[in-house]
Amino acid sequence: GAGVSQSPRYKVAKRGQDVALRCDPISGHVSLFWYQQALGQGPEFLTYFQNEAQLDKSGLPSDRFFAERPEGSVSTLKIQRTQQEDSAVYLCASSLGGGGAREQFFGPGTRLTVL
Amino acid sequence: QKEVEQNSGPLSVPEGAIASLNCTYSDRGSQSFFWYRQYSGKSPELIMSIYSNGDKEDGRFTAQLNKASQYVSLLIRDSQPSDSATYLCASLNRDDKIIFGKGTRLHILP
Repeated sequence: GAGVSQSPRYKVAKRGQDVALRCDPISGHVSLFWYQQALGQGPEFLTYFQNEAQLDKSGLPSDRFFAERPEGSVSTLKIQRTQQEDSAVYLCASSLGGGGAREQFFGPGTRLTVL
Repeated sequence: QKEVEQNSGPLSVPEGAIASLNCTYSDRGSQSFFWYRQYSGKSPELIMSIYSNGDKEDGRFTAQLNKASQYVSLLIRDSQPSDSATYLCASLNRDDKIIFGKGTRLHILP
């Protein structure tokens, strides 16, 4: 596709509910990143994939957060037993090459609101 | 201390003037730096990347890097109302991770 796409664009969840957020990177992009952006803050790194391998998950805030990219293209970020503090915009970005050095291109984000 | 620091603003600049946005970083091992523009409710959009000391110009935008002072800046010439946005500075640190600052809100006054 022409750019990074994410779905859903908006998600409202009740506290304790599980959610799954999808990211379709730019076709051919090797690297995929997930970020969490709270209001008034910059994006905070969550996790990074190179193809299907999850090379860094040090930013995931708890074991309720899980990400996968089984075929090296589409990725899913899953949050189990959502809490109010999980409310944020979740951004996905992809880059052409491996490693974090390459310019990253962001999707529109998923705004998650946990009630 | 956050790895990437920016003044949150808002920075108000008259239309047609030069807007100057500044950023400092703490990891001396950082080699790559990026400026993103983010409109309200939208995702960040890459506008400049810079990897070596000195200036890099692209249209109305000039990025400046001073590794000795651990300082990155973005100049926007002939500011337009459409330049009003939050500008995010980011660096690639020694752990190969891109770290973002909080962003500076820029407001161009018509």
